[in-house]
Amino acid sequence: AQSVTQLDSQVPVFEEAPVELRCNYSSSVSVYLFWYVQYPNQGLQLLLKYLSGSTLVKGINGFEAEFNKSQTSFHLRKPSVHISDTAEYFCAVSDPDKLIFGTGTRLQVFP
Amino acid sequence: NAGVMQNPRHLVRRRGQEARLRCSPMKGHSHVYWYRQLPEEGLKFMVYLQKENIIDESGMPKERFSAEFPKEGPSILRIQQVVRGDSAAYFCASSPIPPGPDQPQHFGDGTRLSIL
Repeated sequence: AQSVTQLDSQVPVFEEAPVELRCNYSSSVSVYLFWYVQYPNQGLQLLLKYLSGSTLVKGINGFEAEFNKSQTSFHLRKPSVHISDTAEYFCAVSDPDKLIFGTGTRLQVFP
Repeated sequence: NAGVMQNPRHLVRRRGQEARLRCSPMKGHSHVYWYRQLPEEGLKFMVYLQKENIIDESGMPKERFSAEFPKEGPSILRIQQVVRGDSAAYFCASSPIPPGPDQPQHFGDGTRLSIL
């Protein structure tokens, strides 16, 4: 069975600092990975996805993620965060007719 | 171009009552997924439906929960005889074809169910 682990439940960071949100997956088959963002009282919005090809994936709002097969990781990064990036971030793997989500990482950006 | 529409946004029920949650997929989408998000947890898959068919209900609790997606109208998630543990946010997602890497699921804003 596929699974996703997000080790950090909360990540506090100051505005304009870089950030990395960690995600590790477990899968015995070809894997398709996603990062979603959830703003308060809203649904999930797709940030980026890894399908195949280049291991560095660029998404919306300046986010990017790197697929690392040997480390089974798909960490999300942003070089300089804004206050508006404060939200919950979920890593997910396609299974294939449903999404398996991690428990989420709450990014809190302080001025 | 409307996205996935869920209603109501908030629903309050007393223990033992029934809860009905509705989801209208994006235009042109014929596949619907329901997920449940318990407080401080990630989303957990419940059920996957096409028009008039349940494709995968491996995440549905065995009792009190049911889902349908009729030929006409929205998909309905129904919870009978609700209990406090049913309090959660319920999200619906849709896709035009079975999901795979090229067709990520699009999510609604959810229904927040509170049981008194």
